[in-house]
Amino acid sequence: NAGVMQNPRHLVRRRGQEARLRCSPMKGHSHVYWYRQLPEEGLKFMVYLQKENIIDESGMPKERFSAEFPKEGPSILRIQQVVRGDSAAYFCASSPQIGRTSGANVLTFGAGSRLTVL
Amino acid sequence: GQQVMQIPQYQHVQEGEDFTTYCNSSTTLSNIQWYKQRPGGHPVFLIQLVKSGEVKKQKRLTFQFGEAKKNSSLHITATQTTDVGTYFCAERSNTGKLIFGQGTTLQVKP
Repeated sequence: NAGVMQNPRHLVRRRGQEARLRCSPMKGHSHVYWYRQLPEEGLKFMVYLQKENIIDESGMPKERFSAEFPKEGPSILRIQQVVRGDSAAYFCASSPQIGRTSGANVLTFGAGSRLTVL
Repeated sequence: GQQVMQIPQYQHVQEGEDFTTYCNSSTTLSNIQWYKQRPGGHPVFLIQLVKSGEVKKQKRLTFQFGEAKKNSSLHITATQTTDVGTYFCAERSNTGKLIFGQGTTLQVKP
């Protein structure tokens, strides 16, 4: 029972290039969350998705960032025209559902994708 | 908006000493979760508290949820070097996302 799989684990991009980060949720999980973590800082919420739907993107920068979770395949966080300030660890997490039942909203995190922008 | 405040930001203790981190919210929480992130690692779920005044224990870790459901604490008794890491509390927002506190980074000197 594979956990949350993220790739690539490490990604180096030059300023102006595009970064695409992929996340496959745990089997049976239909909710995906993306968080960004700068060095020595906390987890900043970016976006929350279900299959083919964006539920909450209140943490996404207005420009250059987009996320999707298609019917088939992994969730993708896309950063266009990267800048040095985008260098961070990007964590994906998944959960089975949301609701009142215990464990419904517990997140399982992937190992993260560490983006370095030169 | 919703926000959980977590203190302290950093804590250095001697191995064997106790450690506590606190989480406070301006709003009543439906539940609160705690996660641990080891250096260089990813957050790992520890526990979820749902009921007012709830207390849960995991070996040397004790988790409490305030009576008013506006605060929570994590207490570690007799810290060990394996306890090193950052401890985050998290609350669930109206839309279902989890909002994390700033975290408390624990360093343990052997």
